[in-house]
Amino acid sequence: NAGVTQTPKFQVLKTGQSMTLQCAQDMNHEYMSWYRQDPGMGLRLIHYSVGAGITDQGEVPNGYNVSRSTTEDFPLRLLSAAPSQTSVYFCASAADWAQPQHFGDGTRLSIL
Amino acid sequence: EDQVTQSPEALRLQEGESSSLNCSYTVSGLRGLFWYRQDPGKGPEFLFTLYSAGEEKEKERLKATLTKKESFLHITAPKPEDSATYLCAVQGESSGTYKYIFGTGTRLKVLA
Repeated sequence: NAGVTQTPKFQVLKTGQSMTLQCAQDMNHEYMSWYRQDPGMGLRLIHYSVGAGITDQGEVPNGYNVSRSTTEDFPLRLLSAAPSQTSVYFCASAADWAQPQHFGDGTRLSIL
Repeated sequence: EDQVTQSPEALRLQEGESSSLNCSYTVSGLRGLFWYRQDPGKGPEFLFTLYSAGEEKEKERLKATLTKKESFLHITAPKPEDSATYLCAVQGESSGTYKYIFGTGTRLKVLA
């Protein structure tokens, strides 16, 4: 039972580079979301999706893009990496918006 | 503005020493309050959902309660394996139907 799978687990980028963080879930969940976790800040919502083809912004969306072409996948794209985007990124899914979220184990991203 | 505050930031207990963690929230219309456990290097793991004041949920040594302004996570006779960061999140009407707001967590250390 894989649940929510995030890849890669670790990544180091240079300022200005772009990359995509992958997230896949095998529970047929409609709701998916991306968070970043920084020391002393708690989890902050970046983007979320309530179903294939539907996405919306969260609290801290600037510098990130998402798309949801299938129920299973919800990739997060960094367009031009900045040091301020150094963080741990978590993807989560839920059966619907009112249900508890299932989290992946995160991607630890460093931007030099 | 919706807000979640957790206290204390950190807590050290001896094995068997019961205590409580606090989650105070400000939200215009509470849809749900969620407790998660997070181990180092892992994503948050769901513990409880509470929907209305007076509701209580229990799981092993943990018991979550809810009032109109705060929630408590009571830990009875904790063991070293209960050491983790405990996160509280709320979903409120004013924050948008699909958005969760997380607190910064309480880091619990249980000493053998």
